[in-house]
Amino acid sequence: DAGVIQSPRHEVTEMGQEVTLRCKPISGHDYLFWYRQTMMRGLELLIYFNNNVPIDDSGMPEDRFSAKMPNASFSTLKIQPSEPRDSAVYFCASSSFNYRRQENYGYTFGSGTRLTVV
Amino acid sequence: GDSVTQMEGPVTLSEEAFLTINCTYTATGYPSLFWYVQYPGEGLQLLLKATKADDKGSNKGFEATYRKETTSFHLEKGSVQVSDSAVYFCALKGWGNFNKFYFGSGTKLNVKP
Repeated sequence: DAGVIQSPRHEVTEMGQEVTLRCKPISGHDYLFWYRQTMMRGLELLIYFNNNVPIDDSGMPEDRFSAKMPNASFSTLKIQPSEPRDSAVYFCASSSFNYRRQENYGYTFGSGTRLTVV
Repeated sequence: GDSVTQMEGPVTLSEEAFLTINCTYTATGYPSLFWYVQYPGEGLQLLLKATKADDKGSNKGFEATYRKETTSFHLEKGSVQVSDSAVYFCALKGWGNFNKFYFGSGTKLNVKP
């Protein structure tokens, strides 16, 4: 398995532009998470999906941020319009949960997208 | 609510030194506990986990024991290497909470030759 795949790896954009980050989770994983990492705030959970349905978006900072998961193999995080304070590394992670055994197998993270808004 | 607190870094050690990174948690019920490692420029990778009290997770020479009486899950390694330099995150999955993890703030480890 290729793991969780994120694109692009790096993105530099000007303030006010729209930015779209992409994620392909591991096949068979039914949970997908978007995190943001900064020096100041550490790792923040933005939103997560279960079976393509958004479950908790309370971490999305404001209306400029939106996330979708149109199918089990693809998700996007969009920022419109972008601002310099959005500069961070954005991680996507996926995981599976064994409901019969009530066992979680941990998250698998992608390599992240480093976003710089100038 | 559920939360994780880990020691602030950076931690700087010489090669072959003993490592301890402290992690304590607050949770109701019976959480599962994890350590993740992040190497420069990469995402977080699962290092080890423990799902019930007194379990010991281990991997790559690292160990952590789930101590319910002290609500702790300290990470240890007997002899660190330069290649262990990374940021280490303690994480908790609450009992009954299918899949939402709570991560600590991370502890940066620098190992000098």
